[in-house]
Order: sequence, then C-alpha cells, then structure tokens
Amino acid sequence: KNEVEQSPQNLTAQEGEFITINCSYSVGISALHWLQQHPGGGIVSLFMLSSGKKKHGRLIATINIQEKHSSLHITASHPRDSAVYICAVRGGAGSYQLTFGKGTKLSVIP
Amino acid sequence: GAVVSQHPSWVICKSGTSVKIECRSLDFQATTMFWYRQFPKQSLMLMATSNEGSKATYEQGVEKDKFLINHASLTLSTLTVTSAHPEDSSFYICSAEPLSGGIYNEQFFGPGTRLTVL
Repeated sequence: KNEVEQSPQNLTAQEGEFITINCSYSVGISALHWLQQHPGGGIVSLFMLSSGKKKHGRLIATINIQEKHSSLHITASHPRDSAVYICAVRGGAGSYQLTFGKGTKLSVIP
Repeated sequence: GAVVSQHPSWVICKSGTSVKIECRSLDFQATTMFWYRQFPKQSLMLMATSNEGSKATYEQGVEKDKFLINHASLTLSTLTVTSAHPEDSSFYICSAEPLSGGIYNEQFFGPGTRLTVL
C-alpha cells in the first residue's frame, strides 16, 4: 500500500507570500493529483501529473518520479487560497484507486 | 473542467431511516464512479468503486448491505445508507472518471453530501 505524506500539516502565510506544499509517496505511481478542499467541503481537482511540471494561473505543480516527490506552489498568495490542499496518488497502469494524503491546511492572512 | 453534482448537499434524518444520495456526471459519461467518506479533520476514505451495469466493489470494512450502491447509467450512481445510525454521520463525496481511451484519466469530484443522523 502506498504511503502518502504531506508537509506541512498546517501553514499560515501573509497575503502575497510564495507558498510551497510538499508530498512524498512510498511506491511507484501512474499519476499524482493535487486537490483543493474549501471549508464547505467541496473538492476541486487542481492538477493531475505523471511527470514534469504544470502551471495554471498562480498555481504550479511539479513532480519528481525518481525521488517520489511532488510540490504544489502558490505564487502571490491571496486569502481566497485558504483551503485544505490534498495530495492523492494513483497506482500503476490500470489502477483506479487514489491514496490520499492527510492534507495541508493553508490560511492566508490579509 | 467536467462537472459532477451531488444531491442532496445536506440531509438530516432520524436513526433507523434510509437515505439516498445521488451522484451525477453532468457533461460527460463515466463508467466508473467512486464513493468516499470523510470524517472531520480526516482525509477521504474510499468506500466503494461503482461500475456502470455491474456490482460495486467495496473496500474492506465497508458493509455492502448497509451502503447500497447502484450505478444504473453512465451518468448516475446512487448511494443508499440503510437503517442509518448516528455513527454514519459523515461527509460523503463521490467522484467520476470520464469514459475515454486514455490510461491516465482524471477523477472529478462532487461537492459532497453532509449526512447527520439524529
């Protein structure tokens, strides 16, 4: 079973700061997801990565397959970025199931 | 991105009653849908994998007779919590995977249903 570790568990930042959230996993995967969960509970899929780097607006996600590590970066953070960010990994080819990290709670203060 | 809806968004029921939660993919077809449960301050736990036209696959420890799943069409899966008890109170989330020829398909999540059993 894949073990997914996220760090930090909690993060408080001032508006405008550059933020990094890390995710490490123990077993080879076919894809890694970064998800955002707002206080109301709904989940939004931010990225799905299998290699390299993806960028969407102020969000950047990178993955290093050899090191079994991914990072989510938020540039010019804003209070509306406050949410729980969850890393989830998917097993080998043909595997549907996701294994979730415990999440990183981000609070951005004006 | 693709949209997944859930209904209802919240429900309060009495102990012993049954509650049905619907999960719909609004603008795509999904052969596979997933049902998750999330307790406060914890991450999502997969309950079952639902495949259109066949029986759901339940995770270890999840009672299939208590959590009935029906995936009758490519856009709808339902989860029925039968004879609900207070310990079933939780946030239930579904996700759907688009029908496509690719290997690495993205899962799209519904907004969740908060169930409170009194």
